[in-house]
Amino acid sequence: AQSVTQLDSQVPVFEEAPVELRCNYSSSVSVYLFWYVQYPNQGLQLLLKYLSGSTLVESINGFEAEFNKSQTSFHLRKPSVHISDTAEYFCAVTRSGSARQLTFGSGTQLTVLP
Amino acid sequence: DTGVSQDPRHKITKRGQNVTFRCDPISEHNRLYWYRQTLGQGPEFLTYFQNEAQLEKSRLLSDRFSAERPKGSFSTLEIQRTEQGDSAMYLCASSQDTVQETQYFGPGTRLLVL
Repeated sequence: AQSVTQLDSQVPVFEEAPVELRCNYSSSVSVYLFWYVQYPNQGLQLLLKYLSGSTLVESINGFEAEFNKSQTSFHLRKPSVHISDTAEYFCAVTRSGSARQLTFGSGTQLTVLP
Repeated sequence: DTGVSQDPRHKITKRGQNVTFRCDPISEHNRLYWYRQTLGQGPEFLTYFQNEAQLEKSRLLSDRFSAERPKGSFSTLEIQRTEQGDSAMYLCASSQDTVQETQYFGPGTRLLVL
């Protein structure tokens, strides 16, 4: 079985500042890792994913995450946030190769302040 | 691409009543998942289908819960004799059966049991 820990439940940050949302996972097998974002009153949207290959993955809106196998982490970063990035962010894991159900962390609420 | 749709978006019911939710996946997706999300938590896996076959069920899915996908297209999730603890957001996701599958989520059905 897999598990995910998101270490921060709330992250307030000022606009144009950098941000890091932390995610650690636990698994005895190889995994795929995902970050989903949930805007108010909307469904979950895939932000980025790591399946294999380069350990650094990027999204189209400036977020990036790095898979660190030795530290079992998949932290999400953005060098300069916007007000519109305010949302809840969920890290998720599934075992690789025959992906089925996702195991999610408890989420991090990112609030970007003007 | 119309995305994953769910109906209804909101449901208020009295304890003891039965409720049924519907999910329409992305048309070419043969996998369909149900998750439950309570306030302040990440989604938790309930069950998934490959075409019309229900292949996995979480222990969270008590015998009051039943899910079907009769023709391998839309799915229904029924909760019998609802309890206040069933109040949650019920999320549906779909994906293609590939090694690198990505799950796409619907907007969810928010259930409130009074």
